[in-house]
Amino acid sequence: GEDVEQSLFLSVREGDSSVINCTYTDSSSTYLYWYKQEPGAGLQLLTYIFSNMDMKQDQRLTVLLNKKDKHLSLRIADTQTGDSAIYFCAEIPLYNFNKFYFGSGTKLNVKP
Amino acid sequence: GAVVSQHPSWVICKSGTSVKIECRSLDFQATTMFWYRQFPKQSLMLMATSNEGSKATYEQGVEKDKFLINHASLTLSTLTVTSAHPEDSSFYICSALHVRAGVLEAFFGQGTRLTVV
Repeated sequence: GEDVEQSLFLSVREGDSSVINCTYTDSSSTYLYWYKQEPGAGLQLLTYIFSNMDMKQDQRLTVLLNKKDKHLSLRIADTQTGDSAIYFCAEIPLYNFNKFYFGSGTKLNVKP
Repeated sequence: GAVVSQHPSWVICKSGTSVKIECRSLDFQATTMFWYRQFPKQSLMLMATSNEGSKATYEQGVEKDKFLINHASLTLSTLTVTSAHPEDSSFYICSALHVRAGVLEAFFGQGTRLTVV
């Protein structure tokens, strides 16, 4: 399977920006996703980016994709305590358009 | 739209008993569903791919006889943990793929917290 890697923890203060990073190995990735998991719940899609895009902005969220380095990042501006959750990046390879590969998740802790 | 419902949300069972977890796609048909196990250190482990009308595909290291998967209809997949042991205690999550607004998404159930005592 593909390798999708993330750092495990990130701690920021309320109002600061958070940047969560993800690296992947598959150069044929079509879509790359960010999912959010709140405690005791399933995962919810936060945003996604198609592989032919470099950047996508959606309100407080900015996704940056560096295809050359196979690096994906999620920036959350003005981070709030309600943003505390686990964030998973995921990708779908072109050769298997029926399987998501998830990173290990980054636990974001927002301090008031 | 595009909701996946998982039931129960939590269950406590005795060692040696079996527990069934249901995963339903409420407003779309899902020929394929996925079952994950989430460990305390948060990573998701794909256990198996559930295929409607055929046998599930299990990931390496997952015991087929212990984690029985049945995908009897286009909207329902079940995971049965047989002869449960305390080490099976975990958070189990199902998902199904669906195209929404032209984008393929994975929709997840709410998860089931299994505690085996």
